[in-house]
Amino acid sequence: GEDVEQSLFLSVREGDSSVINCTYTDSSSTYLYWYKQEPGAGLQLLTYIFSNMDMKQDQRLTVLLNKKDKHLSLRIADTQTGDSAIYFCAGYNAGNMLTFGGGTRLMVKP
Amino acid sequence: EADIYQTPRYLVIGTGKKITLECSQTMGHDKMYWYQQDPGMELHLIHYSYGVNSTEKGDLSSESTVSRIRTEHFPLTLESARPSHTSQYLCASSARLGEQYFGPGTRLTVT
Repeated sequence: GEDVEQSLFLSVREGDSSVINCTYTDSSSTYLYWYKQEPGAGLQLLTYIFSNMDMKQDQRLTVLLNKKDKHLSLRIADTQTGDSAIYFCAGYNAGNMLTFGGGTRLMVKP
Repeated sequence: EADIYQTPRYLVIGTGKKITLECSQTMGHDKMYWYQQDPGMELHLIHYSYGVNSTEKGDLSSESTVSRIRTEHFPLTLESARPSHTSQYLCASSARLGEQYFGPGTRLTVT
């Protein structure tokens, strides 16, 4: 099955950019997703990128995909304290299953 | 806005009790999922359903069972709760591809 790996923790100062990285193993992943989980809540879909795209921008969020290296990143511009949460990347593959990474806890310091 | 509900939100129960965690969605989604989430954040798929009367076990072996008699309802049952079942349980539904909508979760503690 697919493996999706993320670093566990990222700390940034308010106003800086945050970059959360993810690597995956299954080259048949057709869509790659970013989900956000705030304390005490379920996951919320943030954005996604189709596998034939290199970049997708949505307001403060930029997703970069390097298919050759199987590397996905999420950049949050002008990070705010409200962005503090756990961020999960996930790959959707030919088996119609979504595989989640272990999550990256983002802490934003004022 | 997604409409998916889980009850109870928090549950503390003694070993050996039977419990059912409820999950309902009002979006008419065919696909529904149950995940167990570690304190260390990782999500494990324990059950899924692609429609009424369809249920499958997920990647993580679980002693729980599920049923899908109605499209909107996907309850999870533990016949005999044990301390090892202490965890956060998340329910999700999906209409297409990897776009899943999650409920708020049930935090279960078995004493």
